[in-house]
Amino acid sequence: DAMVIQNPRYQVTQFGKPVTLSCSQTLNHNVMYWYQQKSSQAPKLLFHYYDKDFNNEADTPDNFQSRRPNTSFCFLDIRSPGLGDAAMYLCATSRVNRGIYRSNQPQHFGDGTRLSIL
Amino acid sequence: AQKVTQAQTEISVVEKEDVTLDCVYETRDTTYYLFWYKQPPSGELVFLIRRNSFDEQNEISGRYSWNFQKSTSSFNFTITASQVVDSAVYFCALIPNFGNEKLTFGTGTRLTIIP
Repeated sequence: DAMVIQNPRYQVTQFGKPVTLSCSQTLNHNVMYWYQQKSSQAPKLLFHYYDKDFNNEADTPDNFQSRRPNTSFCFLDIRSPGLGDAAMYLCATSRVNRGIYRSNQPQHFGDGTRLSIL
Repeated sequence: AQKVTQAQTEISVVEKEDVTLDCVYETRDTTYYLFWYKQPPSGELVFLIRRNSFDEQNEISGRYSWNFQKSTSSFNFTITASQVVDSAVYFCALIPNFGNEKLTFGTGTRLTIIP
């Protein structure tokens, strides 16, 4: 089945030690998103790629970076994780046509990576 | 800017009861999409429905139904004959048809079905 796959499901890292979370998709969607979700809160968008076009949210800390080497893969890099970065990280994809006949298809989410900081 | 309000933070009902989750939104866009997502305890977000602002028809899918009323900016979700598996956090979300491809989520409603 076509899907959004996030690895690993659980990630433990040390305070200040760089960590990379990965996301892959078989849906061939042109947009990929990274969200941070803390307990009892709605997902918070960190950034997204429209094709290769990177769109950063104004309040996303510089500590968070992203790479999209090709259509199928997208990575979230946390350069120096702090205790406040412990959260669930969700990757999502969608197909968006920015043309005249714009269409925002539903975002399809992966199972998430739960990040813990020691 | 958009805003989605889910006033019900938590709801508990006994199994087999019907339950309605409220969603009220604000947007200046004339065309937009509305969504409902389910987030079970395992953590993944599961897409339930997308509604175009042009289409005010109510929709039913099994035990789920959605009531979209543009006049009151509401997009409510009803579960009929609730089951324990319906226990989850439910998010309502909105995306404008023009401008960007970013979802605005409500704060979510935690639904607990009591056996």
